[in-house]
Amino acid sequence: GDQVEQSPSALSLHEGTGSALRCNFTTTMRAVQWFQQNSRGSLINLFYLASGTKENGRLKSTFNSKESYSTLHIRDAQLEDSGTYFCAAEGYTGNYKYVFGAGTRLKVIA
Amino acid sequence: AQTIHQWPVAEIKAVGSPLSLGCTIKGKSSPNLYWYWQATGGTLQQLFYSITVGQVESVVQLNLSASRPKDDQFILSTEKLLLSHSGFYLCAWRHRGLAETLYFGSGTRLTVL
Repeated sequence: GDQVEQSPSALSLHEGTGSALRCNFTTTMRAVQWFQQNSRGSLINLFYLASGTKENGRLKSTFNSKESYSTLHIRDAQLEDSGTYFCAAEGYTGNYKYVFGAGTRLKVIA
Repeated sequence: AQTIHQWPVAEIKAVGSPLSLGCTIKGKSSPNLYWYWQATGGTLQQLFYSITVGQVESVVQLNLSASRPKDDQFILSTEKLLLSHSGFYLCAWRHRGLAETLYFGSGTRLTVL
């Protein structure tokens, strides 16, 4: 079945620095969505991409369906960026199934 | 604006007891609805989806069942809880059709003792 490999599994960043998260897909995906899960468990929508690149403030995401990967770049990290980040991808099988990556636990340090 | 409400917020239940979790979407007609389960520290696993009233498809059963009695309501239930049912249950919706953003409710935290 469709698989999503997310890396890194955990990440520590000092405030003001940045990094990239990545999801690789084992099959061609229709779209990808990125979420931040906060300490209460709420999932916050960050991006939905069917192709290309989107940017929102300090976050930028790219989806390359041809090469089967997506990235999420965080720049100028702030304490409130801490949490777990998930990518979720939808395949072309038409069964309305989203497959989630294992998540990246991000800790931003002052 | 669409809102999604899940109930209860948290439950502590005994092994073998029944369970019913609910999800309501307001402000959107005929949404696709989904149930997800997340073990502590784990990823999200899709359990069920529904594209219309009375129609529910299972992705992973885990000895649970789901129903969609109304267009805006999605129910997750079991008659006998297992210890392995503990975790975080999330309901989600999106517009009918593909290529659309998935929106999540705030979840129900279930502890089975």
